[in-house]
Amino acid sequence: QSALTQPASVSGSPGQSITLSCTGTSSDVGGYNYVSWYQHHPGKAPKLMIFDVSDRPSGVSNRFSGSKSGNTASLTISGLQAEDEADYYCSSYSSSTTWVFGGGTKLTVL
Amino acid sequence: EVQLVQSGAEVKKPGESLRISCKGSGYSFTSYWISWVRQMPGKGLEWMGRIDPSDSYTNYSPSFQGHVTISADKSIGTAYLQWSSLKASDSAMYYCARLYTSSSPFDSWGQGTLVTVSS
Repeated sequence: QSALTQPASVSGSPGQSITLSCTGTSSDVGGYNYVSWYQHHPGKAPKLMIFDVSDRPSGVSNRFSGSKSGNTASLTISGLQAEDEADYYCSSYSSSTTWVFGGGTKLTVL
Repeated sequence: EVQLVQSGAEVKKPGESLRISCKGSGYSFTSYWISWVRQMPGKGLEWMGRIDPSDSYTNYSPSFQGHVTISADKSIGTAYLQWSSLKASDSAMYYCARLYTSSSPFDSWGQGTLVTVSS
């Protein structure tokens, strides 16, 4: 059960759109539509941003969107804002009622 | 308001035992599973295991099976993560998180408990 692969860091300027990737295998990301994304500001509790690949919880800005193709899921943030600067983690349901997280991507808003 | 409130930071010596807690409120505690997630310093999140508080059924990540024990007391709405013999490598932040079923996301998280193991 290996961690999902995420780029270590991504940066963008305010107003831009950026896409974060999350690559797994056919046993997790590719095998289930149960990919979720979490925003984590250091020292705070992680916050659910996207679930079931592309659904947004109530209260999450529609600037955040998710998608999946094969074994790779993506989180797109449009109209980047300074408050979006955080660590972002993807997660997927895996086999035998287990879950796996990605290593996280540090998003810097320039 | 759904809340998961975790116990405070701990400083322990190698070989000591420890139990940290996660108290749920604002929802039916037995209707949701609780998972524990580790974050080692400078590293990503790792899923450790989960418990169904309604019947205390647990399952663990192979990476953590046998090293930790997850339990719950549904009478007081609290889940626990415990170690019988801590190692320095157990030093990390530990989060509890709620999920409805195996197909659900982790929709609410605790604030984290920092565990430091040092001689």
